[in-house]
Amino acid sequence: SAVISQKPSRDICQRGTSLTIQCQVDSQVTMMFWYRQQPGQSLTLIATANQGSEATYESGFVIDKFPISRPNLTFSTLTVSNLSPEDSSIYLCSVVTPSRSAEAFFGQGTRLTVV
Amino acid sequence: AQRVTQPEKLLSVFKGAPVELKCNYSYSGSPELFWYVQYSRQRLQLLLRHISRESIKGFTADLNKGETSFHLKKPFAQEEDSAMYYCALGGYNNAGNMLTFGGGTRLMVKP
Repeated sequence: SAVISQKPSRDICQRGTSLTIQCQVDSQVTMMFWYRQQPGQSLTLIATANQGSEATYESGFVIDKFPISRPNLTFSTLTVSNLSPEDSSIYLCSVVTPSRSAEAFFGQGTRLTVV
Repeated sequence: AQRVTQPEKLLSVFKGAPVELKCNYSYSGSPELFWYVQYSRQRLQLLLRHISRESIKGFTADLNKGETSFHLKKPFAQEEDSAMYYCALGGYNNAGNMLTFGGGTRLMVKP
């Protein structure tokens, strides 16, 4: 299993600013994932972060808006830049266990409100 | 492209009634399917996976490749089953493994 610590748990930010979310895992994992969960919506994958390479972004998400760092096998950050009210959402960090029937583990999420 | 559909956003049943949360998927390969659950004020966690063919908390789910479905069932719902349930499909993107989630179904079990 994997225990994920994600912070902050919530924040209220002004338009035009940025928020950086941290994700710490208690074991080394190859792949880390960042999801967005908008109010009343499902989880949408933003990007996959592999250590030692640039993150892979899903359609509709770009690096300028959601820069990601992955400095080692236990840590990653997601920055949400140039915030607007539409960015208000829950952001989740996730890792997958290294087996084909991969079980995903999730952080507790970061609730972002942009005012 | 892989896709997961959960047609019901909300399912409300009485305690002791049977429950079926529907999930349909679209995937060209051999699917790996999961059910995740999020109880109030808790993080998302795995409930069960199709490959294990297990029953967790009385829930079961059978993969039906002909109907491309993976419905979650429980014969007698309990109040503590009230939660948000997500069906997920394992697959691959350019970076490797990934999960595609359905829209989720909120199960409310009334006393």
